[in-house]
Parts: sequence; structure tokens; C-alpha cells
Amino acid sequence: DVKVTQSSRYLVKRTGEKVFLECVQDMDHENMFWYRQDPGLGLRLIYFSYDVKMKEKGDIPEGYSVSREKKERFSLILESASTNQTSMYLCASSSGTGGHEQYFGPGTRLTVT
Amino acid sequence: GQSLEQPSEVTAVEGAIVQINCTYQTSGFYGLSWYQQHDGGAPTFLSYNALDGLEETGRFSSFLSRSDSYGYLLLQELQMKDSASYFCAVRGFQKLVFGTGTRLLVSP
Repeated sequence: DVKVTQSSRYLVKRTGEKVFLECVQDMDHENMFWYRQDPGLGLRLIYFSYDVKMKEKGDIPEGYSVSREKKERFSLILESASTNQTSMYLCASSSGTGGHEQYFGPGTRLTVT
Repeated sequence: GQSLEQPSEVTAVEGAIVQINCTYQTSGFYGLSWYQQHDGGAPTFLSYNALDGLEETGRFSSFLSRSDSYGYLLLQELQMKDSASYFCAVRGFQKLVFGTGTRLLVSP
């Protein structure tokens, strides 16, 4: 059974803190993605990676960075958390040829106070 | 850029048929995907259309017209468990762009 796991389901951080969200997939997928989901706005792509050490900006990369040192792991970093980054963060992965079918993790609900 | 439009909410009764429409404007179109997301859950893949026409998977079907930049998801024999949010997503080069989602409420 395919699996994408995220390091935390719920996270509470203070403004200005550095935040790490980690995602691991066990499907040997080339592509990995980070989205944030907010009511009424759907899923918005923050960053994605199509290979180890490669990264591409999505639609809303400001305030975020990513790291992919191993194929199975993709980390999202909030350098200095702000209250407007309070959101649900979803990680996903897909095979190189199956970009239309992404597998999602359970999500991390981040609250920045 | 890319933009997608889908209704924010649709209601129906058990056993009925419902159609969720999606129109899109995009540069670089490879196909249209559909995802389902239950409250508190992760999105799960339902179907994908790369070519014009209808794709059927059990009670769910998806349609695409590339010339009209339009697609829909058709759910038949609705069940209470189909109450969820449904997202269309345009597949561009290397990534998906998601619509804002349609909340489907199925009542007894």
C-alpha cells in the first residue's frame, strides 16, 4: 500500500520561530510537492521537486524554502513563521510519468501564534 | 497563468446523479484530474482525462472537452459517503493546478 507520511498532524509555533515540516514517501517517486490548503482557496502549490537536490517554486513560495537530500524525503521550512502561515500543509508525491495522480499525506495543521 | 472555476457547493439526495463542472484557462495543458477529499482527510485521486471524452470508473465518470476547456465529474447512485469536497486539477508541465473545490452534500 502506497504511503506518504508527515512528521506531525498538529503543530503550534510562535511568530518568528523556524519551523520544519517533514514528508516521507515509500513509493520511490521522483516528484514531491508541498501545498497549503485554506478554506475557499483550494490547494496552492508552494514548492515541488522532481529529483534529489532539485527544487522548483510553485505559486506561493514566499516565506518558505525546501530541502530534498534523499529521494524519499522532502522538507518544508518556514524560516521565520508568521501568523499568515497558519494553515493546513499537505505533502504529495507522484511518479515521473504519473504526474496526474498524486498521493497525499495526512496533512499538518500548523498554527502560528 | 492558470485558473479553474468550479461551483462552491452542490446538494443532492441519495440515489441521485450529480454533475460537478470545471472550466479552466491555462497555458500548457496535459489533462484534467479529479480528487476527492473528506473532511479531515487527505485528497485522493479519482480520475484523469488526457483526451476528449468520457472515462468511467464504477459509479464515477469524468468527461473532458479540450476545445471548450471544460470538464465534469459525474457521480451516479449517490451514497451518503460521497459527501466530500471534489477538486478538479489541470495537469501542466511537472505540476497540477487545483481548483478551489466543490463541496457535495448528500442527504437521505
